[in-house]
Amino acid sequence: GDSVTQMEGPVTLSEEAFLTINCTYTATGYPSLFWYVQYPGEGLQLLLKATKADDKGSNKGFEATYRKETTSFHLEKGSVQVSDSAVYFCALIGGGGSYIPTFGRGTSLIVHP
Amino acid sequence: DTGVSQNPRHKITKRGQNVTFRCDPISEHNRLYWYRQTLGQGPEFLTYFQNEAQLEKSRLLSDRFSAERPKGSFSTLEIQRTEQGDSAMYLCASSKTTATNEKLFFGSGTQLSVL
Repeated sequence: GDSVTQMEGPVTLSEEAFLTINCTYTATGYPSLFWYVQYPGEGLQLLLKATKADDKGSNKGFEATYRKETTSFHLEKGSVQVSDSAVYFCALIGGGGSYIPTFGRGTSLIVHP
Repeated sequence: DTGVSQNPRHKITKRGQNVTFRCDPISEHNRLYWYRQTLGQGPEFLTYFQNEAQLEKSRLLSDRFSAERPKGSFSTLEIQRTEQGDSAMYLCASSKTTATNEKLFFGSGTQLSVL
């Protein structure tokens, strides 16, 4: 079945540092890929998405490129802020005709001033 | 757009008791999902509805779990004879269409503690 693998956290950075959170996936067909973010005490919310190979999703300074050849969708941000501290989830939908969103285990990001 | 609402936010129960959670999706959203999340893990799929029809249940879902979505609006998730292993955050999400690129809107979850 479909699966998503994320790097383990927590990722701890100083403010203005460069962020990369790795995500790779296994799926048949051509899934859509997503990053969701969960701030403390809140529900998950969509951060960005990409629906086909080589698409780049972006939002709030975050970016991720759909790489079919490496089955990856790594999340990046050039300069993190304390307010970016949250848990980030990589997810996919639609691999092999499945309409069930599949999530990775999440990566916690802690940004220090 | 008032968001996805889940009630209660927290539930503490004794082992063996039944519990029921409610989810109110965004109005006119056709799809409704239930997920379970434990500490340090991502959301784990439980079941989903297309309008009032329950289309799929996880093979991992015990017979003690049942979900309904009467009239295709709100949904309830019931756990019978709760066990300590049922302790988790139960998440509800909805989406407007069946498109695979459609984003999910999540509620804040119901935290269940089974003593």
